[in-house]
Amino acid sequence: AQRVTQPEKLLSVFKGAPVELKCNYSYSGSPELFWYVQYSRQRLQLLLRHISRESIKGFTADLNKGETSFHLKKPFAQEEDSAMYYCALSLGAAGNKLTFGGGTRVLVKP
Amino acid sequence: DVKVTQSSRYLVKRTGEKVFLECVQDMDHENMFWYRQDPGLGLRLIYFSYDVKMKEKGDIPEGYSVSREKKERFSLILESASTNQTSMYLCASSLWAGGLQDEQFFGPGTRLTVL
Repeated sequence: AQRVTQPEKLLSVFKGAPVELKCNYSYSGSPELFWYVQYSRQRLQLLLRHISRESIKGFTADLNKGETSFHLKKPFAQEEDSAMYYCALSLGAAGNKLTFGGGTRVLVKP
Repeated sequence: DVKVTQSSRYLVKRTGEKVFLECVQDMDHENMFWYRQDPGLGLRLIYFSYDVKMKEKGDIPEGYSVSREKKERFSLILESASTNQTSMYLCASSLWAGGLQDEQFFGPGTRLTVL
């Protein structure tokens, strides 16, 4: 079965510092990868998806099939980036279900 | 603007009670999902549905059942609540995108406590 691993439960960085959230997956085929974010007292929402190849709120993520990774990066963290981040994988099967990682809480200190 | 609503934000029930969690979406989405969210475990899929009256087991269906009688409504049922079902429950919906995963839109969540 497919699995998504986010090895860091908590990342604490200072404002203006780079931040990288790690995501590794186990699946031998061609998955679709996503990052979802949940800000304090808000709903979980899509941040970005690898097929879009776009930068959202300064974040980028590159799918590395060789390393089975989809790390999320931002060169200069802002306080408003403090949130819970989830990496998710889809096999594109009927029903379009997602498998989520355990989540990484990011705290950006002033 | 996609709206996914859940019937309760907070719910307290006793062990053995039958519990109904309701979810409604207003964007004519084919797919609907129920997850539970626990610290360190992320989101785990309980059940999902890709059409009216259709349902598929997710990763942790034991102790739960679902009902989808109308396209906009997806209900999660705990037949006999137990303390280990204390959790945050999230509902989500998405369009059918022909085999590709479309964005899932989430509800605000229901925090269920089973005493």
